[in-house]
Amino acid sequence: EPEVTQTPSHQVTQMGQEVILRCVPISNHLYFYWYRQILGQKVEFLVSFYNNEISEKSEIFDDQFSVERPDGSNFTLKIRSTKLEDSAMYFCASKQGGDYGYTFGSGTRLTVV
Amino acid sequence: DQQVKQNSPSLSVQEGRISILNCDYTNSMFDYFLWYKKYPAEGPTFLISISSIKDKNEDGRFTVFLNKSAKHLSLHIVPSQPGDSAVYFCAALTGGGNKLTFGTGTQLKVEL
Repeated sequence: EPEVTQTPSHQVTQMGQEVILRCVPISNHLYFYWYRQILGQKVEFLVSFYNNEISEKSEIFDDQFSVERPDGSNFTLKIRSTKLEDSAMYFCASKQGGDYGYTFGSGTRLTVV
Repeated sequence: DQQVKQNSPSLSVQEGRISILNCDYTNSMFDYFLWYKKYPAEGPTFLISISSIKDKNEDGRFTVFLNKSAKHLSLHIVPSQPGDSAVYFCAALTGGGNKLTFGTGTQLKVEL
């Protein structure tokens, strides 16, 4: 069964450093998403991406965050200057089209120290 | 902003019995609802969904019921199996279906 692949599974970074979280969505999917889950809290929407541009973003997704689909297969989330409160599990998701079939990756656990 | 609420953080059920997980929502613009299951160190996995034009959807052991007037939905698992032990998230979409709004999750434990 096709999967959404995320790397790395765990990333530790120092406060103020830039991090890039990587995702390979399912190959024929057109819609891409990032969600995050702070420990003990609910999964929260960050951003959606379609047709090479952001289609919607939450208020969490401020100027410190950016997304990119650099080569037609990878989908990345960059945090420019990490803060302690960015520590969370980050999930990438994709879906094919106007359906509701979101597929999530296994997540990257980001720890900011 | 708790538009989707799962008021029971945990639920324990015996194997073979029915598990009932509940979810309430406040946003009347939600028109599609999904249940996800999540194991530790994995991403959410889609289980079952329901459109707001229906009041029930069934898929094998899983049935979702929607009560629009009460803004309430529930997931029934029968019979429950030990492999069902996981965190279950309720999620909702508004028309257009671009952004999932999740509940806080219910940890289900199915005991032998």
